[in-house]
Amino acid sequence: DAGVTQSPTHLIKTRGQHVTLRCSPISGHKSVSWYQQVLGQGPQFIFQYYEKEERGRGNFPDRFSARQFPNYSSELNVNALLLGDSALYLCASSLVRTAFYGYTFGSGTRLTVV
Amino acid sequence: GIQVEQSPPDLILQEGANSTLRCNFSDSVNNLQWFHQNPWGQLINLFYIPSGTKQNGRLSATTVATERYSLLYISSSQTTDSGVYFCAVGQAAGNKLTFGGGTRVLVKP
Repeated sequence: DAGVTQSPTHLIKTRGQHVTLRCSPISGHKSVSWYQQVLGQGPQFIFQYYEKEERGRGNFPDRFSARQFPNYSSELNVNALLLGDSALYLCASSLVRTAFYGYTFGSGTRLTVV
Repeated sequence: GIQVEQSPPDLILQEGANSTLRCNFSDSVNNLQWFHQNPWGQLINLFYIPSGTKQNGRLSATTVATERYSLLYISSSQTTDSGVYFCAVGQAAGNKLTFGGGTRVLVKP
């Protein structure tokens, strides 16, 4: 079985632009969570989506948004990019909303804002 | 929110050495996991251990929930153990993981 897949793997954007990151969960997993990992720090929770609804939101500005599709894949959108948005963006999937056991991360999208 | 602190921040080991990594957390949790992040950024789940002790090969972990800490033991370290080790916790009312700052481990041959 394929793991959690994220695309693209690397991305370079200019300040002020918009970016869309994509995540496909493990087959059968209905929950997708997004994390931002700034260099040298631990990942920080951005969103959780379960059954196509937002179930949790971290302390991030409204420039960050996400959605989940009927096939449980997910997109993370960031508008008006700032230099500080440069980070590794990680997606994690789990079978159900609160099943932390079996929480599996993808390899991430490395975003550089210049 | 809950605070998660890991120590030491950096660790340099000679191949074959043993080590202990510590994770302290500021509130009660119902979920605690240890992850290893490789140089390519992939986070690999090592243990799901909200309480008690588990072992997996050369790695073992112990969580004492009542005292709000967890320990990760690496025995007979190998160069492939290099990377960053993260402790992450979850609470009953939430659906997110809160990560510590990590311990950066370098195992030298």
